[in-house]
Amino acid sequence: SQQGEEDPQALSIQEGENATMNCSYKTSINNLQWYRQNSGRGLVHLILIRSNEREKHSGRLRVTLDTSKKSSSLLITASRAADTASYFCATDLYSGGGADGLTFGKGTHLIIQP
Amino acid sequence: EAQVTQNPRYLITVTGKKLTVTCSQNMNHEYMSWYRQDPGLGLRQIYYSMNVEVTDKGDVPEGYKVSRKEKRNFPLILESPSPNQTSLYFCASSEQGNEQFFGPGTRLTVL
Repeated sequence: SQQGEEDPQALSIQEGENATMNCSYKTSINNLQWYRQNSGRGLVHLILIRSNEREKHSGRLRVTLDTSKKSSSLLITASRAADTASYFCATDLYSGGGADGLTFGKGTHLIIQP
Repeated sequence: EAQVTQNPRYLITVTGKKLTVTCSQNMNHEYMSWYRQDPGLGLRQIYYSMNVEVTDKGDVPEGYKVSRKEKRNFPLILESPSPNQTSLYFCASSEQGNEQFFGPGTRLTVL
């Protein structure tokens, strides 16, 4: 079953602008992860934020997590053409010690216009 | 170089002809999994393995088998492929609770 849902499904902005993508999920999590995928290629890990963290930064990326609202956001600042890709959130569910794997959303397709 | 490799990268086959997609990781990860990616459906987990000889079903296991005889390898087996298994397949590995490392993908077409 789909756990994370990204919003919007597609986003087109001008180079240099900031891009914000949101992710909502349904059940308790161990952590939430964001991945990027260039067309038809493998997924690349961007950031992992644990359930006891509220915000994390990595370069031009900023991720927030609100466990009370079961939501997360990914902000890409000063976007570049190379940021054009699909972005997925994935939740690592809390299962009492076991690892059930990540449950992915359907992704946000981001297009950066030069 | 730390990596997950998959073979083949591209495969066209016919209905009913058994095939195996191999997956290997060199990071000594305990956890490995298989996903399929379809347009409009995102990534869905097929099977996962928490360690050698330990495998379990994901969300869409029907029509697939896996084995984990060695820590580094996690092959995906389609005993009798059907056209609805045409998809892009990804293998991934990780330490439990941490980021997953994905392979480059295998694009499978079943005619």
